[in-house]
Amino acid sequence: AQSVTQLGSHVSVSEGALVLLRCNYSSSVPPYLFWYVQYPNQGLQLLLKYTSAATLVKGINGFEAEFKKSETSFHLTKPSAHMSDAAEYFCAVSESDSWGKLQFGAGTQVVVTP
Amino acid sequence: EAQVTQNPRYLITVTGKKLTVTCSQNMNHEYMSWYRQDPGLGLRQIYYSMNVEVTDKGDVPEGYKVSRKEKRNFPLILESPSPNQTSLYFCASSLGTAAVTDTQYFGPGTRLTVL
Repeated sequence: AQSVTQLGSHVSVSEGALVLLRCNYSSSVPPYLFWYVQYPNQGLQLLLKYTSAATLVKGINGFEAEFKKSETSFHLTKPSAHMSDAAEYFCAVSESDSWGKLQFGAGTQVVVTP
Repeated sequence: EAQVTQNPRYLITVTGKKLTVTCSQNMNHEYMSWYRQDPGLGLRQIYYSMNVEVTDKGDVPEGYKVSRKEKRNFPLILESPSPNQTSLYFCASSLGTAAVTDTQYFGPGTRLTVL
């Protein structure tokens, strides 16, 4: 079965610094990979997804993620953190090569300090 | 306006009393799914549906039922709710394709408390 590991349940980043959230997956098929964000006391949003096209995926709000098959990773980055990036971020993998059954990571809480 | 609606938004009920949480989307999306969110456990998928009359189990389907009789609606049914189903529930929909522009829309959430 597919699984996802998010390294670091809490990440603190200074405003203007690089945001790097780590996600490693295991999958027996070419995966679909997703990053989601949940802002404080709000609902969920899909930030971006990988579906076996370009390995560098650009999402909303300046985020991007790079699929690296050799490292089984799908890390999320943003060059310059903004206070509004404080949120919880979830990585997910599909158990097939399409949308379908999704396995989520435990989430990473991002705190942005001035 | 493209949206996913869920009702009710808040519900307090008692053990064993059947309930239904409705989910409806107005975007003609093929893929719909239900998730629950619990502190310390993150997000877990309950059920998903790739199309009308096609549903399948997610990670935590026990104690839940779904149906997809028409494309726009995907209700979540708790036949005999128990306290361990106290949670925040989200419904979501998407076209279900590989297209870059295909995003997923989430409902506002339903906070369920089972006493």
